[in-house]
Amino acid sequence: AQSVTQPDIHITVSEGASLELRCNYSYGATPYLFWYVQSPGQGLQLLLKYFSGDTLVQGIKGFEAEFKRSQSSFNLRKPSVHWSDAAEYFCAVGYTGFQKLVFGTGTRLLVSP
Amino acid sequence: NAGVTQTPKFRILKIGQSMTLQCTQDMNHNYMYWYRQDPGMGLKLIYYSVGAGITDKGEVPNGYNVSRSTTEDFPLRLELAAPSQTSVYFCASNPELGTSGSPLYEQYFGPGTRLTVT
Repeated sequence: AQSVTQPDIHITVSEGASLELRCNYSYGATPYLFWYVQSPGQGLQLLLKYFSGDTLVQGIKGFEAEFKRSQSSFNLRKPSVHWSDAAEYFCAVGYTGFQKLVFGTGTRLLVSP
Repeated sequence: NAGVTQTPKFRILKIGQSMTLQCTQDMNHNYMYWYRQDPGMGLKLIYYSVGAGITDKGEVPNGYNVSRSTTEDFPLRLELAAPSQTSVYFCASNPELGTSGSPLYEQYFGPGTRLTVT
C-alpha cells in the first residue's frame, strides 16, 4: 500500500536558521507530491506541489522542495526560518487515476528566538 | 468565492447523541472528502465522493455516514456518538481535472470542526 513517512515528529529551529523537513513515500510510479501547512486552530494550506518537470519546486512563504526519485523523497526546505513559520507540516502523495491523497503523520516545527 | 466552509466550528456531544457536520464548497468541485485528524496520526480519510449521488468509504468509515445530493454539499453524519470520535474533522474538495487537463490532486481544505464526545 502507498504510504508517506515523515520521520521527525518535532523539530526546533532557531529563528533565521535554515530548515529541512523530511518526507519519504512508497509508490511505484511517479507520484503527485504536496506539502501542506497547518497553523494552530486552522485548516490545511497548500505550500507547494510537484506533478512533473523540474524537480525543485518553489512554493509560497519562501519554501521550496526537491523531488528525488532515487531516494523516494520530497524534502521541504527554507533558507531562513521566521517565527511565523511555527506550525505543523504535512507531506502528502496522490497517485495516478485515484483522486485521493495519503498524508504523513506531520512534523511540528517550533521556532526558538 | 468562500472556498470550503464547515459548520459548526466547535461542538460537544454526549455519548449516544447524533449530529451532522456540514460542508459546502462554492468552487463547483466534483470531488469532496471528509478527514479526521487525531494528534500524531495525521489525517485519515473517512468518506469521499466523486460527484453528486456517488460516495465511497475511506480508511475509517465506521460510525459515520455521508450523502451527496448536490455538487456543493457533503454532510457527515454521526449517528451514535462515541468518545473515540472525539477529533478534528476536515472537509476538502478538488476538481476532477486541472486547468491544463492534467490530473489535479490538490485539495482545498475547510477550517475544520472540533468535536468532543463525553
